[in-house]
Amino acid sequence: DAGITQSPRHKVTETGTPVTLRCHQTENHRYMYWYRQDPGHGLRLIHYSYGVKDTDKGEVSDGYSVSRSKTEDFLLTLESATSSQTSVYFCAISDPRGAGDTQYFGPGTRLTVL
Amino acid sequence: LAKTTQPISMDSYEGQEVNITCSHNNIATNDYITWYQQFPSQGPRFIIQGYKTKVTNEVASLFIPADRKSSTLSLPRVSLSDTAVYYCLVARGGGSYIPTFGRGTSLIVHP
Repeated sequence: DAGITQSPRHKVTETGTPVTLRCHQTENHRYMYWYRQDPGHGLRLIHYSYGVKDTDKGEVSDGYSVSRSKTEDFLLTLESATSSQTSVYFCAISDPRGAGDTQYFGPGTRLTVL
Repeated sequence: LAKTTQPISMDSYEGQEVNITCSHNNIATNDYITWYQQFPSQGPRFIIQGYKTKVTNEVASLFIPADRKSSTLSLPRVSLSDTAVYYCLVARGGGSYIPTFGRGTSLIVHP
């Protein structure tokens, strides 16, 4: 399995508090992604990064920010958490230099906002 | 990037062959077809990728007709452990690719 870890794995927080989720990779892959997964919606892309300090928005970026200061770490921040951000968050990595891009996913972080 | 369409859900029984078809009418010349599998409480995992004709690995087979406007994931002799959500994506190498997973196909295998 690809070396991807996410922390924390579970978090319960209150509305209005800031939350930061961390994704760490040991594969030296250039691309990193943050998704959220909710019942009935499948996986939806929040933000992605195509290199250190290079990030862009995905489909559902409102209320989220990201940072990537090192190749191996991609942080997702909820500046002021809301109940609608209760979800399972997955990080993924890829290295699309060859044929069709293949993504490798982390184990997920289950976030509950009360 | 080509949009994909696949059934929302499928049911099967242990020992049967399961075929999940995905349509991707607007696939481009340099696009590959990629399938992922996701078990409950886990992240998706790559299972197979192909460009044309047939690809087979230890998990599944992927059939792609000449026009590449659709593809079929074939799971031989499924077991209860194949119960999962299966996602079809059109993937492009070389960067500048924003993946769209959609809802996938929920496969339930019954005893």
